[in-house]
Parts: sequence; structure tokens; C-alpha cells
Amino acid sequence: DAGVTQSPTHLIKTRGQHVTLRCSPISGHKSVSWYQQVLGQGPQFIFQYYEKEERGRGNFPDRFSARQFPNYSSELNVNALLLGDSALYLCASSLVVVARSYQETQYFGPGTRLLVL
Amino acid sequence: TQLLEQSPQFLSIQEGENLTVYCNSSSVFSSLQWYRQEPGEGPVLLVTVVTGGEVKKLKRLTFQFGDARKDSSLHITAAQPGDTGLYLCAGAAVNAGNMLTFGGGTRLMVKP
Repeated sequence: DAGVTQSPTHLIKTRGQHVTLRCSPISGHKSVSWYQQVLGQGPQFIFQYYEKEERGRGNFPDRFSARQFPNYSSELNVNALLLGDSALYLCASSLVVVARSYQETQYFGPGTRLLVL
Repeated sequence: TQLLEQSPQFLSIQEGENLTVYCNSSSVFSSLQWYRQEPGEGPVLLVTVVTGGEVKKLKRLTFQFGDARKDSSLHITAAQPGDTGLYLCAGAAVNAGNMLTFGGGTRLMVKP
């Protein structure tokens, strides 16, 4: 079975541009989360989606947005790119979000490495 | 804002040595995960601990969750070069579903 897939694997953009990153969850998984990992740091939570609805948002500016499609795949969009947006963007999928007190195992994709010049 | 402090940040040891990585917070977590990440790849889950005081063993790796569910440790016995990588702890806050707070990571190098 395929794991979490992300595209593209690498991307180079210039400041002010817009970028769209894509994620396909493990088959049967309905929840997708996005994380940003700056070089030398741990991942930081950006968004979580479940059943096409936003279930959580981290401390990121409105330039960051996301959505989840009926097939549970997801897109992360970043507008007006800044140099500081250069990072590895990770997508993680999990089976469900059953209840807010329940923690479901998340499986991470290989990430998209974004470089903003 | 929940924070996870991971220490040490860097660790370089010889093959066969033992090591411990610590993950500490002032917040309570419903569960805590340990991941290992290789360069150019996403984090791979090693273990999830959910009960205060829980100890889990995975071959030469021993994971412990603090009694108060605020801290955790990873102990590696007789480290091998294949253990080299970035080790990340991540906590799931109480009533926060699947949203994970990650520590800064411990970069381990095991020299032959």
C-alpha cells in the first residue's frame, strides 16, 4: 500500500510568488495535517483537516491556507512568499479524528522542500 | 502555547555507547510520540506512549512517559551507526485531537 505522497518534491520560488503544495493521504485515511519544518528545527503545526473541514489551525499568517477535497487529498497554499517561508512542508494523514481527546497515529509523507529566493 | 524542550540538541558518540534523550514540558499531554527522521524524508513513528509512567521497549530503544505526562525520555543501549538520525518527540495536547507539538529535535551521530 502506498504511504502518504506529496508533490512536488522540491520547489524554488521567488519572493512575492504564490505556491501550491499537494498531498495524498494513505488510502482510507480521512484526516490530513500540514506541518512546516525549518532547517534545524522540529515541525510546526499549520493546519488539520478532517472530512473536508478545518479542525485546527496553528500560529501562521493568513497567507497560508489549505483545503481538503472529497477524495481526502489536500492542498496547502502560500501567498506572497517570504524568504522565511523556505522550509520542508510535511503532510501527515490519520484514519479519523474521533474525538478531541483521542489521539490517532499520524503518518508523514516525505515532504516538499520549498526554497524562496 | 504548549512547548516541548528537547535535549540535548546534538549528540555524537561512539558505537556501543548508551545515550538518553529528554523531552520536557510544563504542559500535560494526552500522548507523546517519538519519531526518527532521515535527511530528505518525513518523520517515521517509533512509538506512542499514552499512560503516565508507561515504559515501552523497541529492541535497543526504551521509551518512558513521565508519571504526570509532562515529560518523556528515549534511551538507546549499545548505539550503532544505523541509529544516526534526527530524533523528534511530539506531544498531543489534551482535547486537541491529532494536532502535534514537536520538540526541536536531537541530532544523533554514532561513529563506528
